[in-house]
Amino acid sequence: SYELTQPPSVSVSPGQTARITCSADALPKQYAYWYQQKPGQAPVLVIYKDSERPSGIPERFSGSSSGTTVTLTISGVQAEDEADYYCQSADSSGTYGGVFGGGTKLTVL
Amino acid sequence: EVQLVESGGGLVQPGGSLRLSCAASGFTFSSYAMSWVRQAPGKGLEWVSAISGSGGSTYYADSVKGRFTISRDNSKNTLYLQMNSLRAEDTAVYYCAKTKVVPAALGWSNWFDPWGQGTLVTVSS
Repeated sequence: SYELTQPPSVSVSPGQTARITCSADALPKQYAYWYQQKPGQAPVLVIYKDSERPSGIPERFSGSSSGTTVTLTISGVQAEDEADYYCQSADSSGTYGGVFGGGTKLTVL
Repeated sequence: EVQLVESGGGLVQPGGSLRLSCAASGFTFSSYAMSWVRQAPGKGLEWVSAISGSGGSTYYADSVKGRFTISRDNSKNTLYLQMNSLRAEDTAVYYCAKTKVVPAALGWSNWFDPWGQGTLVTVSS
């Protein structure tokens, strides 16, 4: 089955830059999406179509793509950014649905 | 403001059935695909099922195919998930999500925004 690979955890100090990667073979030809999930809450979309930011999402959240890897970058990390982050994409069949990465726990030290 | 409110979760025995509902408001419901995504306790997200805006096309994850049925009533702005032959591994919080679909280099691409607050389904004897 198709898989998106994320690191289990990333740790940064407040004010630093956090980078969370997501890798899969079809990413050069499929868009990637990123969701933030805080404990006890539903996921929230923070990046769509690789690098677009929804309205209401702070400018410190950005996305990029290079080959088979996409990256969520959080510049000037704040304590409130501590959460689980999931990437999502589609496999090479391109049908409705989606595949999620395993999630990355961002810890703000 | 878009709102999605799930209901229908609860405790059910293995082999039993349950129907989830998701009441939508704040957007033209029939113009959007909708999806169900679940999250087992302490685990990651898993896409479960999707349905086109008209309801004419449905899609399922292999893990639920043949057991779950997604449907919608556009006159009531409501999405449903009928879950039969439930197993312990179906225990999860089930979220409904408004689904945006766009063309991609390989077929289609879709994302989920926003999500409802979720409803917990527990399958246990």
